[in-house]
Amino acid sequence: AQKITQTQPGMFVQEKEAVTLDCTYDTSDPSYGLFWYKQPSSGEMIFLIYQGSYDQQNATEGRYSLNFQKARKSANLVISASQLGDSAMYFCAVKYNFNKFYFGSGTKLNVKP
Amino acid sequence: GAGVSQTPSNKVTEKGKYVELRCDPISGHTALYWYRQSLGQGPEFLIYFQGTGAADDSGLPNDRFFAVRPEGSVSTLKIQRTERGDSAVYLCASSLLGTGFSGANVLTFGAGSRLTVL
Repeated sequence: AQKITQTQPGMFVQEKEAVTLDCTYDTSDPSYGLFWYKQPSSGEMIFLIYQGSYDQQNATEGRYSLNFQKARKSANLVISASQLGDSAMYFCAVKYNFNKFYFGSGTKLNVKP
Repeated sequence: GAGVSQTPSNKVTEKGKYVELRCDPISGHTALYWYRQSLGQGPEFLIYFQGTGAADDSGLPNDRFFAVRPEGSVSTLKIQRTERGDSAVYLCASSLLGTGFSGANVLTFGAGSRLTVL
């Protein structure tokens, strides 16, 4: 399986501040898709943002943006203006050729009031 | 349906028993994935269906695990001779398309089936 690395098992951020969650991945393929999901303590997996490997601009969705650096094989998630409801596990995922879709081990984000 | 439905939500069984977990994907979604998630870990890929066929079953841990999707919609994950190590949350996800790279590949997950093997 291709390797997806999330090096921060846990992070704290102050409410209203921005936070960056790191993700790096393995691949020699030129084409792939990058995804971030949020998993609150309730357990549901919630899609946040998508970036294609050929997309010229970094993806943004509301307070979420994806800092994509193709040469470094990194796809960091930036959450601006953190809210208490952002406290959750966050997973980076990569879709590779032949429809292989793998997830990282996750980062647990705690937003402090 | 409106979302991905998984049943049962909770299953407690004894070691050695047979278990079936069902997934009803979003109508019209051609791709269906099964994952296993242990506490504090990321989802671990098990199997992927494109239509009725298992396009990739490389994540199934051993031959006790099997999955079907006979009509290209509902899928069933079957676990024979369950072991305590099989205890986990089993997640099903579907997407409009399995092929290519686009927003149509976004996986929509079900709420999961929590399996506990005593």
